Amino acid sequence: AQKITQTQPGMFVQEKEAVTLDCTYDTSDPSYGLFWYKQPSSGEMIFLIYQGSYDQQNATEGRYSLNFQKARKSANLVISASQLGDSAMYFCAMREGGGATNKLIFGTGTLLAVQP
Amino acid sequence: DAMVIQNPRYQVTQFGKPVTLSCSQTLNHNVMYWYQQKSSQAPKLLFHYYDKDFNNEADTPDNFQSRRPNTSFCFLDIRSPGLGDAAMYLCATSGRLIGGANVLTFGAGSRLTVL
Repeated sequence: AQKITQTQPGMFVQEKEAVTLDCTYDTSDPSYGLFWYKQPSSGEMIFLIYQGSYDQQNATEGRYSLNFQKARKSANLVISASQLGDSAMYFCAMREGGGATNKLIFGTGTLLAVQP
Repeated sequence: DAMVIQNPRYQVTQFGKPVTLSCSQTLNHNVMYWYQQKSSQAPKLLFHYYDKDFNNEADTPDNFQSRRPNTSFCFLDIRSPGLGDAAMYLCATSGRLIGGANVLTFGAGSRLTVL
């Protein structure tokens, strides 16, 4: 069965510093996708970045990059130049297989606090 | 410019009193999902619609039902809420491709309190 593990319940980072949020996954399906979402205190889940299992290069999106290590089954999120507005809950999620539906399995999340 | 709108944002109900949460979308996406997120836990998929086809997760209690009268709207009905059903309920749609991925777009959630 597929599983997402986020081992850091909470993280602190100084403003303008980089931070890495860990995510490991387990699946037997060779085709899968990995997502990171941000959830501020308001509740809405905001899509940040996506990595496909067959993608050769690590995904990047502005200040967000995904450190994808397939052999280790890890998909860590790197946030560069942290801002106060980055303080939120961050969820790693996985989709198995392809198709039109996109059922995601989420990890338990990491609460990031950016300090001035 | 909200694209997935959930109402109400906050709902307080009494133990056993039925509740309906609504979700509407302006994206014309054909797939809609309902997730339950309890405090400090990961969101958990309850069910989803692919167009009018309803797909229930195996471990979703019978207490939870859903309706999708048209493409734009989807409802979550909790027939007899228990204290354990207090949670944030997140509606999402998919149909937007980013880098080949079918990305979920979420609403702001409906927070349910059961007294």
